[in-house]
Amino acid sequence: GQQLNQSPQSMFIQEGEDVSMNCTSSSIFNTWLWYKQDPGEGPVLLIALYKAGELTSNGRLTAQFGITRKDSFLNISASIPSDVGIYFCAANSGGSNYKLTFGKGTLLTVNP
Amino acid sequence: GAVVSQHPSWVICKSGTSVKIECRSLDFQATTMFWYRQFPKQSLMLMATSNEGSKATYEQGVEKDKFLINHASLTLSTLTVTSAHPEDSSFYICSALAVTSYEQYFGPGTRLTVT
Repeated sequence: GQQLNQSPQSMFIQEGEDVSMNCTSSSIFNTWLWYKQDPGEGPVLLIALYKAGELTSNGRLTAQFGITRKDSFLNISASIPSDVGIYFCAANSGGSNYKLTFGKGTLLTVNP
Repeated sequence: GAVVSQHPSWVICKSGTSVKIECRSLDFQATTMFWYRQFPKQSLMLMATSNEGSKATYEQGVEKDKFLINHASLTLSTLTVTSAHPEDSSFYICSALAVTSYEQYFGPGTRLTVT
């Protein structure tokens, strides 16, 4: 089946540092999404990407939809303690089912 | 806008009993809802796709007779875990697909513990 390879698995950074994480796949996807999940909560959508090559920002977050449609990255600039959480990439291959495939997540810890 | 609620937020039940979890889209209509299961420190795994007015579509390996899904209206889907066992203990999350934007919005999850 389709799989998303998300890396790194975890990151420990100092407050103020920039962070980068990415997802790759051997399959082509039409939509890439990035979610953040806090403990005991559902995922919250951060950024949605719909076109190959698209670069989108949401505050301190920037994400790109790879030109090959097989990868995406998420950057967080000037990290703050509330950025702590698990970040998931997700992708949809198109068609009418709208099912999402999720990466395994990146656990981010920010030391104040 | 685009709020999805789940009820209950947590539940403890005894082995062999059944538990129903509700997923509601509060301010939008959703012809399609999805049910996920998440074990500790793992990613979300899609269990089934719930379509309003029709039978749910289950992912490979998910027992349809054990995880009963009903999507009776454009704002409500329910997941019933029948004859629950300790291995069914997990975090169950639903999402709703907005008919206007086709974006998925996730609920806050339901923690199920089977003793």
